[in-house]
Amino acid sequence: GESVGLHLPTLSVQEGDNSIINCAYSNSASDYFIWYKQESGKGPQFIIDIRSNMDKRQGQRVTVLLNKTVKHLSLQIAATQPGDSAVYFCAEDNNAGNMLTFGGGTRLMVKP
Amino acid sequence: DGGITQSPKYLFRKEGQNVTLSCEQNLNHDAMYWYRQDPGQGLRLIYYSQIVNDFQKGDIAEGYSVSREKKESFPLTVTSAQKNPTAFYLCASSTARKGKLFFGSGTQLSVL
Repeated sequence: GESVGLHLPTLSVQEGDNSIINCAYSNSASDYFIWYKQESGKGPQFIIDIRSNMDKRQGQRVTVLLNKTVKHLSLQIAATQPGDSAVYFCAEDNNAGNMLTFGGGTRLMVKP
Repeated sequence: DGGITQSPKYLFRKEGQNVTLSCEQNLNHDAMYWYRQDPGQGLRLIYYSQIVNDFQKGDIAEGYSVSREKKESFPLTVTSAQKNPTAFYLCASSTARKGKLFFGSGTQLSVL
């Protein structure tokens, strides 16, 4: 079936730089997207979400961009900190029941 | 303090043994989910339940069973039919459609 995928499995950035994590989705019926952060040995934590009637949403140090034309989602983290090191997952709601479909994840490594 | 609690944190299974993972939530959420996560991989849906006394198979239900006798509880049994049970198991809950998932802290299951 259709699924969410990620371009980069590992992203390494310098502390203080901005990070951009990308996600491609293939289901044009998806209308709700979420980014999760998962630290080692822990459950995923909600970061930010966006509905398909928006193309940008900002949180604290994070911004999610949605490009429905090319079915692309990105998470931007400003002034990346060591505590941002984790695996980041995007997830989509494709209107196929009460559940989300998760991508494979991108590992963000922050160098001091 | 509201949340979703998984226990135990670590669990070991002997060959041919059934083991049960606990998941309890006090968020008053209707829907609950079980995901499996293998090292360096994304989340795969095992089972989900949208209401008490009802549940549906996810993508990888073979070798697993669940029950939903109470709204706040959704235990997962890993049966002897599951030949490769070693993984990190995540329980989640959500309010309704278009709702983000709240995750527990996970159970690491290993085979002795």
